[in-house]
Amino acid sequence: DQQVKQNSPSLSVQEGRISILNCDYTNSMFDYFLWYKKYPAEGPTFLISISSIKDKNEDGRFTVFLNKSAKHLSLHIVPSQPGDSAVYFCAASLGVNSGYSTLTFGKGTMLLVSP
Amino acid sequence: KAGVTQTPRYLIKTRGQQVTLSCSPISGHRSVSWYQQTPGQGLQFLFEYFSETQRNKGNFPGRFSGRQFSNSRSEMNVSTLELGDSALYLCASSSRTGPYEQYFGPGTRLTVT
Repeated sequence: DQQVKQNSPSLSVQEGRISILNCDYTNSMFDYFLWYKKYPAEGPTFLISISSIKDKNEDGRFTVFLNKSAKHLSLHIVPSQPGDSAVYFCAASLGVNSGYSTLTFGKGTMLLVSP
Repeated sequence: KAGVTQTPRYLIKTRGQQVTLSCSPISGHRSVSWYQQTPGQGLQFLFEYFSETQRNKGNFPGRFSGRQFSNSRSEMNVSTLELGDSALYLCASSSRTGPYEQYFGPGTRLTVT
């Protein structure tokens, strides 16, 4: 059973507009969440993370929102650029107190930003 | 700082053989995790090593094993290869154990024929 789900396999947006990538999780024990970006033939690159004690974290053009009651998080990219075209993975962890560092990944959403 | 390096980048093996993959973490990083990526299952956690000790293990058969050396370099071994082991194997390092950002290498593409 998939504990982290990215229900949209792909997303297309125009350059300059907002990209919103969504992620749902089922395990209420997850308390640390991360987003990774992956280009072909490269390993995933860490983008941004959020702890469950927060509901928003911002880093430049990237903002992650966490809604714990809905078990949902989203990544907003504003403005989107063609270089953002990649596969985006959502990942979750059981957190510091559990002592676990295992990341559970979603299957990814391919973002295509067109000029 | 040099990134995470993995060798070899590509590998073709035959069913029943064994394979060893190598990972050199970012200098100073003591935690190394391994993941398997396949089109059907996505990225799945194999195991994590920290200071030469296995900290966590994913839900994979005992044919998958690993180890970490005193210089934090890590190897993973797969014995008695099966066709379903064909995948991209990714190594990630982190400066500390725990649910923190991990830095991934480019991966080793293993094809089992």
